[in-house]
Amino acid sequence: AQRVTQPEKLLSVFKGAPVELKCNYSYSGSPELFWYVQYSRQRLQLLLRHISRESIKGFTADLNKGETSFHLKKPFAQEEDSAMYYCALNSQGGKLIFGQGTELSVKP
Amino acid sequence: NAGVTQTPKFQVLKTGQSMTLQCAQDMNHEYMSWYRQDPGMGLRLIHYSVGAGITDQGEVPNGYNVSRSTTEDFPLRLLSAAPSQTSVYFCASSYSTHPYEQYFGPGTRLTVT
Repeated sequence: AQRVTQPEKLLSVFKGAPVELKCNYSYSGSPELFWYVQYSRQRLQLLLRHISRESIKGFTADLNKGETSFHLKKPFAQEEDSAMYYCALNSQGGKLIFGQGTELSVKP
Repeated sequence: NAGVTQTPKFQVLKTGQSMTLQCAQDMNHEYMSWYRQDPGMGLRLIHYSVGAGITDQGEVPNGYNVSRSTTEDFPLRLLSAAPSQTSVYFCASSYSTHPYEQYFGPGTRLTVT
C-alpha cells in the first residue's frame, strides 16, 4: 500500500536549534517525494521536491531509499519557519498522497 | 494571474442540504484536484481531473460529485451534506500529471450541523 507517515504531530524547538521533520513512505517503485508548507493564514505551497535536490529557505531533504525516508532538515531554525509541514508522495497519475502533517513551532 | 481561486471561504450547512464548492484557475493547467484537510489526517484526495471532460475518484470520493466542462473550472458538489463532511476543502492544479508543483487554492471551511 502507498502511504506517507509523519510520526510527529508537533515539533517545538528554540530559534537557532537544528530541525528535522521526519517522513517515511511506503511505495513499490521509484518514489517521487515533496515537502509542502502551510504558513499561518496562507495557502499550502511547495517547499521542495527530491528530484531537484535544492535547498529552499535553508531546508534540505534527502531521499533515503534504504530507510524509505525523506526527512526535512534545517541546521538553524528561525521563528518564521513556524508552520505546518506536509510530506507528500506522488502516486500514479499525479495523485499526491500526504502525510498527517507536522506542526513546527520555533520559539524565540 | 489570480492562480487558484475558491468560493466560498466559509460555509455552514444543515444535514441533508446540498451545495457546490467552486474552484477556478487561470494558469491553463490540465490537472485539477480536490482535497479535504482534517486534523491528524493530513490532506486526502477526493476527486481529480486530468483534463476537460475527464474526472476520476481519489481516496475519499463518497458523498461528492465533480465535473470538468472547461479547463478553468472544477466544481465540487455535495449532494446531501453530512456532519462527517465538516472539513477544510482545498482545490489544486498543476501543469500536468507529472510531478510538477501543485498550486493550491486558499481553501473553503465547511461546517455541517
